[in-house]
This record gives sequence, C-alpha cells and structure tokens, in this order.
Amino acid sequence: DQQVKQNSPSLSVQEGRISILNCDYTNSMFDYFLWYKKYPAEGPTFLISISSIKDKNEDGRFTVFLNKSAKHLSLHIVPSQPGDSAVYFCAASEGYRDDKIIFGKGTRLHILP
Amino acid sequence: EAQVTQNPRYLITVTGKKLTVTCSQNMNHEYMSWYRQDPGLGLRQIYYSMNVEVTDKGDVPEGYKVSRKEKRNFPLILESPSPNQTSLYFCASSPFREGETQYFGPGTRLLVL
Repeated sequence: DQQVKQNSPSLSVQEGRISILNCDYTNSMFDYFLWYKKYPAEGPTFLISISSIKDKNEDGRFTVFLNKSAKHLSLHIVPSQPGDSAVYFCAASEGYRDDKIIFGKGTRLHILP
Repeated sequence: EAQVTQNPRYLITVTGKKLTVTCSQNMNHEYMSWYRQDPGLGLRQIYYSMNVEVTDKGDVPEGYKVSRKEKRNFPLILESPSPNQTSLYFCASSPFREGETQYFGPGTRLLVL
C-alpha cells in the first residue's frame, strides 16, 4: 500500500515557466511533509518542508502548498531554470521527529530550453 | 565540511559473499537511516537508528543488518547478498530539528551477481 503517491513519473516544462509537481498521501496521521531533489550520482538533498498547521511555505523560487482535506500537496517552482532538472521526491512523516519518513516514487522534471 | 560519507561508492559482488557498506556522519546527529532506491519504487527505508545502540526496522529490512556502536557510524551489513539486493543505497542522518531534515550520503551502487 503506497502511502505517498507521485503519479507523474516525469514532467517537462519550458524554462522560465512554472513547474508544478504533485503528491498525494493516504495516511491521515502524516503532518509533516518534505520535498527532496536528486541529481544523478548524488544523494537526495532537502528542498523545502511544510507542517500541517500551514497551508503554504515559500522559499525563494520554491513554494509548497498543502491541502489537508484533499490529502494533497504540490511543489511550485517559479521561474523554472535548467538547474531544476532533477528527480523530485515527496516525503511525509508523523511529525518532524518521527523516525519513519515515507517517500514517494519520485517525479523526473525536465526543464526545456 | 558537514557531510555523510559512504564507502564503497560502487561494489560488485557475488551471491552469498558477506559485505558491509559503511556510513559516517560528522554532524553529531542522533538519527541515522539506510534507504534503497530502485526504479519505479522510489526510496524505501531499510533500517534506522534513533541513537547509539538503538536500531529498528524500516519498510524493507529483510536480508540486512545494522549496528550503531558509535554515534557517527551506521554500517549496513549484508550477511548473504542475493541478486534482488542489487540497488542504489543511501545513508542519511538527521538532527531532528524542525526545519531541518535528513542529510543524505552520495550513495553506494551495489551489483550482486
């Protein structure tokens, strides 16, 4: 049973436009959500997080939106840049001190010139 | 430089030959974890450790062992590797503070023949 779902294996976006990556979850106990970015031959790196008391968190070009009633979160990248081409993983846990973080399968983002 | 290191980075072995993948972090983090990444399956947690001498199973612990004798080290042991353990392995550590999350190592690519 997949608790964190990223239903789009890949996404292509024109440079300068908005990239929107989606993530759905099934476990209503999740209340801390994270996005990681991964380049080939490197480990994932933390991008941005959001706790369930918020519905939006922004960090520069990256914004994460959380819709708890729909059990859905999204990552917006504006404007998209060539260096954003990577695999993005959505992850969730029951609190930021939870010992288990559940990852989605990832979405490969291609930024087109 | 704050980092998580893994050795070796690449390993080819044969079925049944015991191997150890080392993981070390220099950030004095309490929490450490091992993941495997497989195509179409994303990142799946193998084992994690909340502190020295405290370890617990993740989602896919079968065929793996870990130990946490020191805070900085968290080796992953495959007593009798099998071909289905061919994967990309990541070690991670975390200070467990809100706004901070897991820091990943560069990965170890393992091929079991």
